[in-house]
Amino acid sequence: EVQLVESGGGLVKPGGSLSLSCATSGFIFSNAWMTWVRQAPGKGLEWVARIKIKTHGGTTDYAAPVKGRFTISRDDSKNTVYLQLDSLRTEDTAVYYCTTDAALEPYYFVYWGQGTLVTVSS
Amino acid sequence: EIVLTQSPATLSLSPGERATLSCRASQSVGSLLAWYQHKPGQAPRLLIYDASKRVPGIPGRFSGSGSGTDFTLTISSLQPEDFAVYYCQQRSNLLAFGGGTEVDIK
Repeated sequence: EVQLVESGGGLVKPGGSLSLSCATSGFIFSNAWMTWVRQAPGKGLEWVARIKIKTHGGTTDYAAPVKGRFTISRDDSKNTVYLQLDSLRTEDTAVYYCTTDAALEPYYFVYWGQGTLVTVSS
Repeated sequence: EIVLTQSPATLSLSPGERATLSCRASQSVGSLLAWYQHKPGQAPRLLIYDASKRVPGIPGRFSGSGSGTDFTLTISSLQPEDFAVYYCQQRSNLLAFGGGTEVDIK
């Protein structure tokens, strides 16, 4: 069974930093592109960052609102993907989900974690 | 950057009625579009992928159509458990989600 478990959310002041983790099991992590998606209160889903597998260069992509402030990384030995959130703004307040297709058809976001809440407030 | 625009923002319908949700892309995404259902406190659930293919286990009342820039999700006869927010998502060029359509009970 595929499992994704996020952790690391919490309350942080504007300008502060936070590090999120997503521990996974039940699939071959090193074969799977991993993505973070967020949902701000009362808003829709917004993709945040994506990291490809090492054989695809380990390339990272970021949504415009977070580019230069957030960093996605992965540790294939720990089956874990990370999201470093720096220079946080109040508008970054959201539930952050990690998600993946687990490198399986249909190659869309079938698997999701339960989410971790990040609150940016003074 | 591809922008997905969903309409309407809210759809108020009664159980048994037909729901038609629209998703328009700012440029062609081919058929690389999916639909998700999202309920409060739950993770989103993939319903339709590649514009028209139903995920195994998803009821037949859900169907998707379209290609290029215009897509539709149809729920043929709303069941009580179908009242939720629905998102389209493209993976043709990076990623993007639409703003969502809330289907609520009239």
